[in-house]
Amino acid sequence: EVQLVESGGGLVQPGGSLRLSCAASGFTFSSYEMNWVRQAPGKGLEWVSYISRSGSIIYYADSVKGRFTISRDNAKNSLYLQMNSLRAEDTAVYYCARVPNTARAFDIWGQGTMVTVSS
Amino acid sequence: SYELTQPPSVSVSPGQTASITCSGDKLGDKYAYWYQQKPGQSPVLVIYQDTKRPSGIPERFSGSNSGNTATLTISGTLAMDEADYYCQAWDSSAYVFGAGTKVTVL
Repeated sequence: EVQLVESGGGLVQPGGSLRLSCAASGFTFSSYEMNWVRQAPGKGLEWVSYISRSGSIIYYADSVKGRFTISRDNAKNSLYLQMNSLRAEDTAVYYCARVPNTARAFDIWGQGTMVTVSS
Repeated sequence: SYELTQPPSVSVSPGQTASITCSGDKLGDKYAYWYQQKPGQSPVLVIYQDTKRPSGIPERFSGSNSGNTATLTISGTLAMDEADYYCQAWDSSAYVFGAGTKVTVL
């Protein structure tokens, strides 16, 4: 079964850091581009970051540029998001999502991990 | 930055047709994608590349995209189609989502 499982969410104080992980299974992870997408409570979807198959190409949304770092370990079938200088507005469910090879979309999503930034 | 605009809500009677629009500058020159999200669940891709349905998505879901507007159409709407729907496009090395449309089946 094709699956993405996020972990690492939790409660963190403003200005703090957190590292999210996404474990992939059921497909050849290294053959797919990956992303992080977030959703604040009661709000819509917001794209956060993209990483190419090899990790050589990376994009960020303006709202997280300079604070978040996406990375991947193809040997471990894992995607990561290092989040620094966290703000209250970063509070959201964070999803990892796979890009299909034929479209600029997200065909497989994880169940999400909740990040709460609060003092 | 690129923006996609959706109506906040759409109401439809069971068995009728629901149409959800997504507007953006020259959106017809890009591909539009649509996701369904039910409460407490992760989004599901229901339309890709304007008109294509992923495996497992019912035929009652269809899409179109021309000019500045993409449209998701749900024909013969069922109660189970009640959900939030998001359009999405790719522009200037960024994925862009619309704010979402809540479809209520009355």
